[in-house]
Parts: sequence; structure tokens; C-alpha cells
Amino acid sequence: NAGVTQTPKFQVLKTGQSMTLQCAQDMNHNSMYWYRQDPGMGLRLIYYSASEGTTDKGEVPNGYNVSRLNKREFSLRLESAAPSQTSVYFCASSRFGSQTANTGELFFGEGSRLTVL
Amino acid sequence: TQLLEQSPQFLSIQEGENLTVYCNSSSVFSSLQWYRQEPGEGPVLLVTVVTGGEVKKLKRLTFQFGDARKDSSLHITAAQPGDTGLYLCAGVNNDMRFGAGTRLTVKP
Repeated sequence: NAGVTQTPKFQVLKTGQSMTLQCAQDMNHNSMYWYRQDPGMGLRLIYYSASEGTTDKGEVPNGYNVSRLNKREFSLRLESAAPSQTSVYFCASSRFGSQTANTGELFFGEGSRLTVL
Repeated sequence: TQLLEQSPQFLSIQEGENLTVYCNSSSVFSSLQWYRQEPGEGPVLLVTVVTGGEVKKLKRLTFQFGDARKDSSLHITAAQPGDTGLYLCAGVNNDMRFGAGTRLTVKP
């Protein structure tokens, strides 16, 4: 069972380069999320999509864009990478349709480790 | 400043010992979740607590939600090396916020 699949798992970028992190889920979940995890900071929400066709900013959206391509796929794009974006990025999905109404389980991918030099 | 403060930040114990980790906030939550994250993997949900004063048990793990729904604790009895990992709490209100976690190492 695949669950939530993220690609790539590792990436090294130079400052100013762009890249897209891909995420797909096969659980027919309505909501999808992008988090970043930094030492001592916990998981911080970048963007989320409560349902297909909608996206909203989370706690730390600056420097990122997202696309909810269809119900299965939610991508995160860095247009001009900065060293401050060095982090581990996690995609997650949940059954419920709204971040604010989510008391259910978040299913996470294995993470994408990004280093910006 | 973290909305949810988890303590201790690091904990290293011997197999068989008991331990308690804490998740504290000044905010009231409608529910609180605990996740465990192993190296190189994403967090996995352990439990959700919803009612103030609620206690849930999952084998050797006991989770408690504070009466005022501002804090929670996780107690592990007779810890095993397989319990090693990062334990994260997440408070749910208008949104979901994660604590920074407690990194637990259980030595054989």
C-alpha cells in the first residue's frame, strides 16, 4: 500500500534555482498539506488544500507556491530557492475536507530532504 | 515561541524504565493528537484525545488530556528499543499546530 508518495527524496539546489516537490496519495482523501520540519521548530504548515480546486496559505507560505493538480496530487514549488528553505518537507493527506475541521488522522509521506547552498 | 511546548526535548533511558513526556500550552484545544516519527520517515498517528481529563491506553502507552484541554502527557511503561523515536503532539483548534517534539532513545 503506497499511501502518500513524495518525490524526490533528496535534492541539493543552488541559491536562486527553482524546483518542484511532487506528492501523490492513493487513499481518496480530500485534504492535502505541505509541511516543513526544522530542528527545534516542529512541523510548520506551508500550504494546504482542503479539497480539489482550492488552496490556502498556512503558517509559513512565503517563497512557496502550490498546485492541487487533481484529487490525488499536490505539488510544492520553490521559484527561487534560498538557504533558509533548507529543510525536510513533508506532504500529508487527511480524509476530512477542511484544515479547521480536521480532528482526524494525518497520513504523511516519507519526506523530501532539501539543501539550498 | 512555540504554541505547544514539549518536554523534555531529549530523553535517553535504559530498556525497562518508565517515562513521561509532556505537551503544554496556554491555549485550549478542541482535540490533541500524538504522533511518533522514526528516522527517515513521516510521523504516524498514535492517538487522538478529545475530552478534558480523558485517558487512553495503547498497550504500554498511556495518554492523558488535561482537564482544561491545554496540556497532555504520554507515559510509557517498561520502555523498549522499538519505542525509540520523535514524539510529537499536535493541538487542534481553528488550525493544527505541532510541538517541536521529544526525541526518545531507549537503549537495550
